[in-house]
Amino acid sequence: QVQLVESGGGLVKPGGSLRLSCAASGFTFSDYYMSWIRQAPGKGLEWVSYISSSGSTIYYADSVKGRFTISRDNAKNSLYLQMNSLRAEDTAVYYCARVPGDYWGQGTLVTVSS
Amino acid sequence: NFMLTQPHSVSESPGKTVTISCTRSSGSIASNYVQWYQQRPGSSPTTVIYEDNQRPSGVPDRFSGSIDSSSNSASLTISGLKTEDEADYYCQSYDSSNPWVFGGGTKLTVL
Repeated sequence: QVQLVESGGGLVKPGGSLRLSCAASGFTFSDYYMSWIRQAPGKGLEWVSYISSSGSTIYYADSVKGRFTISRDNAKNSLYLQMNSLRAEDTAVYYCARVPGDYWGQGTLVTVSS
Repeated sequence: NFMLTQPHSVSESPGKTVTISCTRSSGSIASNYVQWYQQRPGSSPTTVIYEDNQRPSGVPDRFSGSIDSSSNSASLTISGLKTEDEADYYCQSYDSSNPWVFGGGTKLTVL
């Protein structure tokens, strides 16, 4: 069955960096676009970034552009999100999801605080 | 960029029918598919409707989706409400410049 498992979350100070991973299984990862979505505590869903199946097309939300980098390794069935210059407002649960949103991971919590 | 606007909350009694709206601010609602996600407390979102009105396997036929070009909105209708339907519901769509746009979410209370 399809599984998406995020990892890499944790507590980081403002200005710091973190790299999230999403391990995919149960489907042909290289056939699918993938996305990162986040949810701040008590808030709604916010799309963060999106990458095509080959990695050649990438989009970012304005709120993270220039600070976050999405990437993928199809040989390892893995999706990544490199997050730099983190701010308090980046605190959220980060989900990876298969496009068109039919499968989501369980999420990993990122807390940005001094 | 366009926005999707949902009511903040709705409530209804068990066994009744509720409809949650999702209004697109610009561009035609019919131009791009709308998805609906259910998120129960402490859980990840799951899809209840995709491509405007399609139900994934395992989603009961009490859930249905539609679009209305005259109001430029999509709707999620849940009939025969059960207490287990109590959750947050999000609509989502896209266009050529915005791969994923979410509505603000609607809290459904079944009382």
